[in-house]
Amino acid sequence: DTGVSQDPRHKITKRGQNVTFRCDPISEHNRLYWYRQTLGQGPEFLTYFQNEAQLEKSRLLSDRFSAERPKGSFSTLEIQRTEQGDSAMYLCASSLDREVYNEQFFGPGTRLTVL
Amino acid sequence: QKEVEQNSGPLSVPEGAIASLNCTYSDRGSQSFFWYRQYSGKSPELIMFIYSNGDKEDGRFTAQLNKASQYVSLLIRDSQPSDSATYLCAAPNQYTDKLIFGTGTRLQVFP
Repeated sequence: DTGVSQDPRHKITKRGQNVTFRCDPISEHNRLYWYRQTLGQGPEFLTYFQNEAQLEKSRLLSDRFSAERPKGSFSTLEIQRTEQGDSAMYLCASSLDREVYNEQFFGPGTRLTVL
Repeated sequence: QKEVEQNSGPLSVPEGAIASLNCTYSDRGSQSFFWYRQYSGKSPELIMFIYSNGDKEDGRFTAQLNKASQYVSLLIRDSQPSDSATYLCAAPNQYTDKLIFGTGTRLQVFP
């Protein structure tokens, strides 16, 4: 257990529905990242926050995706009007901002299945 | 060319042998490199990081970095069946700290 928690662990939804995932980072970590992983691939970056500011969003993140990190603590990732192509493992990671290296610790992930 | 490349494997080694996992990267600005282990159906677990040229040892694991050749490797000594997993190499983008992952190498250690 890395100290990063995610909820729910599994989500099955029908195409067109909205889903929301939550991530609670390690408490002293000021950076929080969202990645998506599909079978046979490495995780792909979606977005990241430093404290409450969203500093970067991937081109993978269409306008159906939105992420927030109010008050710089937990974060939510919402997917609107889900599509079957959204089926994947959604991973959250957190880190402490360091000058030389930046170890990111992952939560257990949320596995999304869109029917 | 992908930014981080790994051979997808599987790499099969007998129990007790040394497993050698390799990774190349294209961004010369990358300063640090990470190795994650991922069991099937689980999330990635950080096992090693390295940011200086040369070797870094931690227990049965040794990470090697050659910045001139843009090459990172992970050696696992005395491989155990419990080491059977996918090993992901990752490098942070030089401008942000988002990690760029390879596709991972699947390691199988047989008794």
